[in-house]
Amino acid sequence: EVHLVESGGGLVQPGGSLRLSCAASGFTFSNYSMNWVRQAPGKGLEWVSYISSSSGTTYYADSVKGRFTISRDNAKNSLDLQMNSLRAEDTAVYYCARDGTGIWLIYWGQGTLVTVSS
Amino acid sequence: QSVLTQPPSASGTPGQRVTISCSGGSSNIGRNSVNWYQQLPGTAPKLLIYNHNQRPSGVPDRFSGSKSGTSASLAISGLQSEDEADYYCAAWDDSLDALVFGGGTKLTVL
Repeated sequence: EVHLVESGGGLVQPGGSLRLSCAASGFTFSNYSMNWVRQAPGKGLEWVSYISSSSGTTYYADSVKGRFTISRDNAKNSLDLQMNSLRAEDTAVYYCARDGTGIWLIYWGQGTLVTVSS
Repeated sequence: QSVLTQPPSASGTPGQRVTISCSGGSSNIGRNSVNWYQQLPGTAPKLLIYNHNQRPSGVPDRFSGSKSGTSASLAISGLQSEDEADYYCAAWDDSLDALVFGGGTKLTVL
């Protein structure tokens, strides 16, 4: 059974940094591309970032480009999101999600809450 | 404002058929797979439809998807109370190099 478990969320001040992690199990992690998607309180889904199976390709939403960095460690079955220069508008539940055989998010974690506030 | 446009709300009575539309453009729906996600209150999203009209294992055949040009639709037949949720369409956008979501449609079962 596929499991994705996010961690690392919490309260951080504006301008601060946070690193989210996603532990994957139940599938061959190195075979699949991964994504981060977020959802601000009471709002819709917003895609944040994508990384290919080999880390050779990454994409970012314009709203986080230059501030967030996605990475993965296929040996440890883990996905990370380094978030710098955090803003109040980055407050959201952050989900990691696995692609299917195409760019559809077939498995999702339970999410981790990031709150940016002074 | 979302790249993909969905109605903010939809409703129906048990047993009815409802449809939710998703309008995009040539760089997203016009070229790439349209996918639909269901988000029940307080839970993570779940993939409902992928590649326009394919259902993952375990999704009832009451749910169906279609695409025409730069628009797509999700249809739910035999509406049930447990279908009350938020529904999102999504597609990769080749111009933005980004996955774009619709703003979401809140489905109410009356």
